[in-house]
Amino acid sequence: AQSVTQPDIHITVSEGASLELRCNYSYGATPYLFWYVQSPGQGLQLLLKYFSGDTLVQGIKGFEAEFKRSQSSFNLRKPSVHWSDAAEYFCAVGARGNEKLTFGTGTRLTIIP
Amino acid sequence: DADVTQTPRNRITKTGKRIMLECSQTKGHDRMYWYRQDPGLGLRLIYYSFDVKDINKGEISDGYSVSRQAQAKFSLSLESAIPNQTALYFCATKASGSRETQYFGPGTRLLVL
Repeated sequence: AQSVTQPDIHITVSEGASLELRCNYSYGATPYLFWYVQSPGQGLQLLLKYFSGDTLVQGIKGFEAEFKRSQSSFNLRKPSVHWSDAAEYFCAVGARGNEKLTFGTGTRLTIIP
Repeated sequence: DADVTQTPRNRITKTGKRIMLECSQTKGHDRMYWYRQDPGLGLRLIYYSFDVKDINKGEISDGYSVSRQAQAKFSLSLESAIPNQTALYFCATKASGSRETQYFGPGTRLLVL
């Protein structure tokens, strides 16, 4: 069965600093990978997705992620964070032809001035 | 108007009561999903439906039932609510196809006393 690990429960970064959120997955076939963001009191919004092709994918709000098959990772990055990036971030892997998602436990991001 | 709506947005109920959470979508998607979110556990799949006549259990279906009244409506019922069903519940929709993504509603916050 597929699984997703987000090893960092909570990360604090200063506004303007760079950010990397880690995601490792376990899946026997080619994975469909996603990053979602949940702002306080809001639903989940898709940041970016990887299906195939270029392993560096660009998303909304200046985020990017790199798929590394050899490391089973799909880490999320942003070169300079803004206070509005404070939220919870979820990595997910799609299974069964991407008909079902398995989510990681999430990483809560706090931004300090 | 939002593409995926959930009602109610907040609900307080008592142990043993039957309650229903409703999800409607205007995206024309045939796939619909119910998840629950608990702190530190991420999102877990309760039930999913590929079309009106195709409903499947997810990883945590015990204590829940669903009804797909139409392509656009998918309801989640708690037959006899218990306190450990206190959680944030999300509905999601997806078009068929492996390169489609799930779109989430705003969530229903449920408290079972």
